[in-house]
Amino acid sequence: DAMVIQNPRYQVTQFGKPVTLSCSQTLNHNVMYWYQQKSSQAPKLLFHYYDKDFNNEADTPDNFQSRRPNTSFCFLDIRSPGLGDAAMYLCATSRDSGLGGRGDEQFFGPGTRLTVL
Amino acid sequence: QQQVKQSPQSLIVQKGGISIINCAYENTAFDYFPWYQQFPGKGPALLIAIRPDVSEKKEGRFTISFNKSAKQFSLHIMDSQPGDSATYFCAPDSGGYQKVTFGIGTKLQVIP
Repeated sequence: DAMVIQNPRYQVTQFGKPVTLSCSQTLNHNVMYWYQQKSSQAPKLLFHYYDKDFNNEADTPDNFQSRRPNTSFCFLDIRSPGLGDAAMYLCATSRDSGLGGRGDEQFFGPGTRLTVL
Repeated sequence: QQQVKQSPQSLIVQKGGISIINCAYENTAFDYFPWYQQFPGKGPALLIAIRPDVSEKKEGRFTISFNKSAKQFSLHIMDSQPGDSATYFCAPDSGGYQKVTFGIGTKLQVIP
């Protein structure tokens, strides 16, 4: 089945130790998103890629970076995790036809639960 | 600027009752109005969505009602079941280069 896969599902890191989360998709969608979701809150958009065009949200800390080497894969790098970065990180994809295109369903992965010690 | 206002934040409904969640928006460019369902420890998943060319869409026990002039849409869950207990997010979208805007979420608890 076509899907969005996130690895690892659970990640424990130490304060300040860099960590990379990965996302892959078999849907061949051109848009990919990274969200941060803290307990009992809505997903908060960190970045999104429209094809190769990278869009950084204005309030996304510089500590967070992202890479999309090809259509199928996307990575979230946290350079120096702090205690406040402990959260669920969600990857999502959607199909978009381009500027003036219509909104459409987002397909979410299962998430990576990040714990910072 | 808060573009999406979702209410209520929490809802307790008896089994068999009707659950109603509302979403108000400001951006008239939105053209896709979905409700996502999220269970604890899982990613959100699309439950039901509507385009602005219709005022209502029903899928089984789930119905979206859409009021374009009032810039509101709502989710109705008929015959609510304990398995419907989850958090629901509205997330209107306009496509293109615009990001999706999530509502604050509604935690629904259906009690037996």
